[in-house]
Amino acid sequence: AQKVTQAQTEISVVEKEDVTLDCVYETRDTTYYLFWYKQPPSGELVFLIRRNSFDEQNEISGRYSWNFQKSTSSFNFTITASQVVDSAVYFCALRRPNSGYALNFGKGTSLLVTP
Amino acid sequence: DVKVTQSSRYLVKRTGEKVFLECVQDMDHENMFWYRQDPGLGLRLIYFSYDVKMKEKGDIPEGYSVSREKKERFSLILESASTNQTSMYLCASSGTSGSWNPKGRNTGELFFGEGSRLTVL
Repeated sequence: AQKVTQAQTEISVVEKEDVTLDCVYETRDTTYYLFWYKQPPSGELVFLIRRNSFDEQNEISGRYSWNFQKSTSSFNFTITASQVVDSAVYFCALRRPNSGYALNFGKGTSLLVTP
Repeated sequence: DVKVTQSSRYLVKRTGEKVFLECVQDMDHENMFWYRQDPGLGLRLIYFSYDVKMKEKGDIPEGYSVSREKKERFSLILESASTNQTSMYLCASSGTSGSWNPKGRNTGELFFGEGSRLTVL
């Protein structure tokens, strides 16, 4: 069975701190796809990144970086020098097999960045 | 940009009423999805569709049905609303990775609407 676990329910940091959001996944598939989405207070989920299982290279996009480690089944997300605008709920997700690209989501981590 | 539009941001209905939630996408995507989002439970898949008139059950289809008569439109129907269906409903669409849409190449990620917050009294 597929499962995504985000153990951190809520995180609060002060602006400019670095913060890492954890994501652990379970799957029996050898080929799989992982995602991160951001849900700001407005409610619309925004796609951040997709990573496939055969590409373990870490990714950096501005202040955002992702660390994919198959050995520990983790796909962690780090925000460097956090800003108030980063306050949102972040979801990690795993593509379901045979489901038209549907995703299984973790329960999300609510990040609050205070000035 | 991809646009997924949900017809209503907020709805208030009575128990037993029939409720229609409409979703339209402008990207010619084959795949469309309905999720519900509840505090502490995250997003749960209700139904999905990978083609016109095709539908598949997700993890929590009980109490819901769907309709996809046109490629761009995917409707969620609550035949007889109940209070436990009070929730945020999210529609999403995606194109098959590698295929083309009017605005570029599909990469397989889901694009979401703004959500419809339904309260059943």
